[in-house]
Amino acid sequence: EAQVTQNPRYLITVTGKKLTVTCSQNMNHEYMSWYRQDPGLGLRQIYYSMNVEVTDKGDVPEGYKVSRKEKRNFPLILESPSPNQTSLYFCASSRTALMSYEQYFGPGTRLTVT
Amino acid sequence: AQSVTQLDSQVPVFEEAPVELRCNYSSSVSVYLFWYVQYPNQGLQLLLKYLSGSTLVESINGFEAEFNKSQTSFHLRKPSVHISDTAEYFCAVSTIQGAQKLVFGQGTRLTINP
Repeated sequence: EAQVTQNPRYLITVTGKKLTVTCSQNMNHEYMSWYRQDPGLGLRQIYYSMNVEVTDKGDVPEGYKVSRKEKRNFPLILESPSPNQTSLYFCASSRTALMSYEQYFGPGTRLTVT
Repeated sequence: AQSVTQLDSQVPVFEEAPVELRCNYSSSVSVYLFWYVQYPNQGLQLLLKYLSGSTLVESINGFEAEFNKSQTSFHLRKPSVHISDTAEYFCAVSTIQGAQKLVFGQGTRLTINP
């Protein structure tokens, strides 16, 4: 089954404790992206990657890091999480960057930072 | 830069009633337009898209949206809703040149009452 998977689905952590949210897709997609969803704000792009070893900032990159060492994986790293990073996070992928309007989304990771 | 405004944060309707979810966009260049749907506890799924051609586009489950360039709108409609349509709906825009970036609206929560 074609899908985007994220782990963990739920995470409660404390301020300053480094964490990684994994994202993997099995569709051989070139383009991958991370979003955060907050009430009243819709989805905002954090980082995106047009292909392996090619990443770029989205609209809200502060406090986040990403890497794209393999085509299928695009982990999101929070080096020192803060309470304002409490949010619902989605990973997404599309066949190419030019087709990024048709993105396949993962199920989401709900992160709480206390 | 592009922006998207969804005029209603919540829309309650009765089952089998018609519904319209409003979306306006702002862009200085030509755009692609999309509606995504998020069912409870799931990621987003592409519902329908306007890329070019006919300004009226339809989904497989009875929704339709009409691109109105003069009013910069892309409202979503369904003549008769079902309980299973309960979800959050996001309007999104992408410029034709910068296809790697989707800008989402704030979302409209559609609640269907029996």
